[in-house]
Amino acid sequence: KAGVTQTPRYLIKTRGQQVTLSCSPISGHRSVSWYQQTPGQGLQFLFEYFSETQRNKGNFPGRFSGRQFSNSRSEMNVSTLELGDSALYLCASSPGLAGGGTDTQYFGPGTRLTVL
Amino acid sequence: GENVEQHPSTLSVQEGDSAVIKCTYSDSASNYFPWYKQELGKRPQLIIDIRSNVGEKKDQRIAVTLNKTAKHFSLHITETQPEDSAVYFCANPRPSGGYQKVTFGTGTKLQVIP
Repeated sequence: KAGVTQTPRYLIKTRGQQVTLSCSPISGHRSVSWYQQTPGQGLQFLFEYFSETQRNKGNFPGRFSGRQFSNSRSEMNVSTLELGDSALYLCASSPGLAGGGTDTQYFGPGTRLTVL
Repeated sequence: GENVEQHPSTLSVQEGDSAVIKCTYSDSASNYFPWYKQELGKRPQLIIDIRSNVGEKKDQRIAVTLNKTAKHFSLHITETQPEDSAVYFCANPRPSGGYQKVTFGTGTKLQVIP
């Protein structure tokens, strides 16, 4: 199976702009999670989507939002960009059906966002 | 609780030596404990995982041990090689309202010195 893909791989924006990132999960996977990775903060959970519904949400401001389409592809949007939003944004897909907390997540290559 | 503590944050070992990284979790309902390796500029990749019905799992030079009583699990790398240099993350997926939440450890930067 093809792995998780993310587009674009690199993005440069200025403060105040907005950005949309895309993630295509492994075929058959219905859950997509998004993470922000920065050197000082590690992997911070943003949100998770399953069957077009947000199931879980991390502690990020409302400027961060997402959605999932019927083919399980997901997009993440950040509005009114701030310098501190510069990070690697990773998505991870999993089957999403393990209610017991035993799903394995597979990561995409990430989108490196730089805010100037 | 959602805390996952990972130690050490950095680790330097001589090539051929062993490395051990430990994670402590708080949610006793946790049943699955994966470890990820992230090389510089690359995505985190699953390298080994363990489920709560076993105490140890090995795959060549890497192993994971689990102590559910003490709520910690550890990654062991033996006969380290330069290509083992990377950041290692533990993860703690756990049941949450019929689904799962995942918290990652803060990462351990392993440097293997040739």
